Amino acid sequence: EAGVTQSPTHLIKTRGQQATLRCSPISGHTSVYWYQQALGLGLQFLLWYDEGEERNRGNFPPRFSGRQFPNYSSELNVNALELEDSALYLCASSLLPYGVTSYEQYFGPGTRLTVT
Amino acid sequence: AQSVTQLDSHVSVSEGTPVLLRCNYSSSYSPSLFWYVQHPNKGLQLLLKYTSAATLVKGINGFEAEFKKSETSFHLTKPSAHMSDAAEYFCVVCKGGSNYKLTFGKGTLLTVNP
Repeated sequence: EAGVTQSPTHLIKTRGQQATLRCSPISGHTSVYWYQQALGLGLQFLLWYDEGEERNRGNFPPRFSGRQFPNYSSELNVNALELEDSALYLCASSLLPYGVTSYEQYFGPGTRLTVT
Repeated sequence: AQSVTQLDSHVSVSEGTPVLLRCNYSSSYSPSLFWYVQHPNKGLQLLLKYTSAATLVKGINGFEAEFKKSETSFHLTKPSAHMSDAAEYFCVVCKGGSNYKLTFGKGTLLTVNP
């Protein structure tokens, strides 16, 4: 069974540009999550999508946005890039987490975003 | 509110010796708890999970963790470290329901010396 996939692996942008990151969940998973892992800051929750709707959002400005498609894949868009946005962006997926056996998330390898 | 504290940012052990990675949590409800491992330039892999069943949880690669409610701890252990265990380890507390959310600790970097 294929795991969570993310593209691209690396992305280099300049300040002020927009970045688009993509994620495909494990087959059968309807929930997709985005995290930012910046140096020294640990993993910070960004967004949770399920069935095409945003379910929860972390403490990030509105220029971080995303969407989920009918096939449950997802995009993360970061507008007006700032140097501090340089980080590893991790996507995870799970079954809808309303049952005890469904709480864990499965992670992709990440997209390394560098803003210069 | 929920929070996780990993008590050591870096642990160094020799190959073949025991591993102890410490984690304390704070939660206003009965939590689910996880340990994830991240090898360099890789995503996170689930090591083990506690979901209110047995308090001693066995995971992959010989790791186990014990949930101690009285101490609000969920320490990760392994009897004998292997070079391939060198990685960063994250303790995670889970809030369920409609406001489902995982809260990650800041991570513990495990170094294994030959």
